[in-house]
Parts: sequence; C-alpha cells; structure tokens
Amino acid sequence: ETGVTQTPRHLVMGMTNKKSLKCEQHLGHNAMYWYKQSAKKPLELMFVYNFKEQTENNSVPSRFSPECPNSSHLFLHLHTLQPEDSALYLCASSQDRLAGDHYNEQFFGPGTRLTVL
Amino acid sequence: AQSVTQLGSHVSVSEGALVLLRCNYSSSVPPYLFWYVQYPNQGLQLLLKYTSAATLVKGINGFEAEFKKSETSFHLTKPSAHMSDAAEYFCAVSDRDNNDMRFGAGTRLTVKP
Repeated sequence: ETGVTQTPRHLVMGMTNKKSLKCEQHLGHNAMYWYKQSAKKPLELMFVYNFKEQTENNSVPSRFSPECPNSSHLFLHLHTLQPEDSALYLCASSQDRLAGDHYNEQFFGPGTRLTVL
Repeated sequence: AQSVTQLGSHVSVSEGALVLLRCNYSSSVPPYLFWYVQYPNQGLQLLLKYTSAATLVKGINGFEAEFKKSETSFHLTKPSAHMSDAAEYFCAVSDRDNNDMRFGAGTRLTVKP
C-alpha cells in the first residue's frame, strides 16, 4: 500500500451504533488530519494530530472521538450520530504541522462515505 | 481569519476551450494558496500551490494559477480543456504558522464534447 488509505470506503450505520473509521499513511509523516466533506458545504477541518498529540479540535461534537496510537494510524470513533453527520470523511497527512518558510503538502486518502440512518 | 471564495459552483466549457476557475482570498498577511482537484469517489489531489516564490504557478495536468495581491485573487486556468478535466476543484488558503487549511466551497467543472 502507498499513500494514505482509509477503511471502510462506505459505511451505513444507525443512530445508536458505534463504529470506527480508520486511516493509515505510508509516507513517514508526523501530522494527520480528519476533515468532513458535506454536500454543498466547504471542507471542514475536524481534528489535527502532530507527533501523536492532538493539536486542534475544531469545536467538533463529542460523538466524534479521534485516536492516534502512532504517527501512521488515525481513527475516528463514532457513537450516537445524527443523520446530519452523513458526509464524506477525509483523512490527510503531512510531514508535520508547522509550515514556516516552506509548506508541508497534505496528502489525502480517498475518504469514507458515511450514511447515518 | 483567512478564507477563500470560489465564484461559481458550476462551470461548463467545451473540450478545447479555456478553463477559468475563480478564487479570491481574504488574509491579513501573505498566505499560502492552493488548488486541489477531486475526481468522483476519490480524495483531494494537489494541483498547484503558491508559497511566495513566483506569482505564476504551474501545476500538473497543464493547469496554472497566478497570485495577484492587488486583486486578492488566485484564479486557476488551463488553455485547452480535456474531457478528463471534469472534476470538482477546490481553492484553499493557509497561514504560515501551520498547515491548517481553509477550503472554498468548490467548483464543479463539466467539459462538453
């Protein structure tokens, strides 16, 4: 596997279910990101991890719980979701979070299409 | 706070015609600017980026964009559209302290034969 992979690619769940999204990067990066892409809305940054430490939580509801056990893996644990949480969830990684004089390109996975019934 | 505005949620061109996708940014300091492309059922792929070197930036697949500070714009162009260019295009901005990006709402490009 190369780049950034996400599993599952599609997920349908009820509002009372608990599920997890998985992201894995094979690029040796230290920063990982979760984004939410809803129809007709801009891509929203949800969480950022840098060297396994969470550095950003963009006012995301607690029914979304991220986990970063190591620099290569990122999870998004889901519980008691609402229908409006249905969206494409994208994971990305970059060398690290800091930019400074150079930009660290973010590489995106293909996303998990989540449908909450 | 930084933000970008993409003018036109839908752009349709004929094959071989000029592609112009508009993006205006709002930032108090010179930002980094990006264009990403998203094909159906795929993640985002970086087309090109502006990081304060040359103002005319060339990217992949024949696309280029010009940073115009006076107009706070970073429009994406391609001289001749190809059917394979049909996709969703996103403009994004980030500051120079971290990699956190703010994306525009996207522009869907349709290419007619």
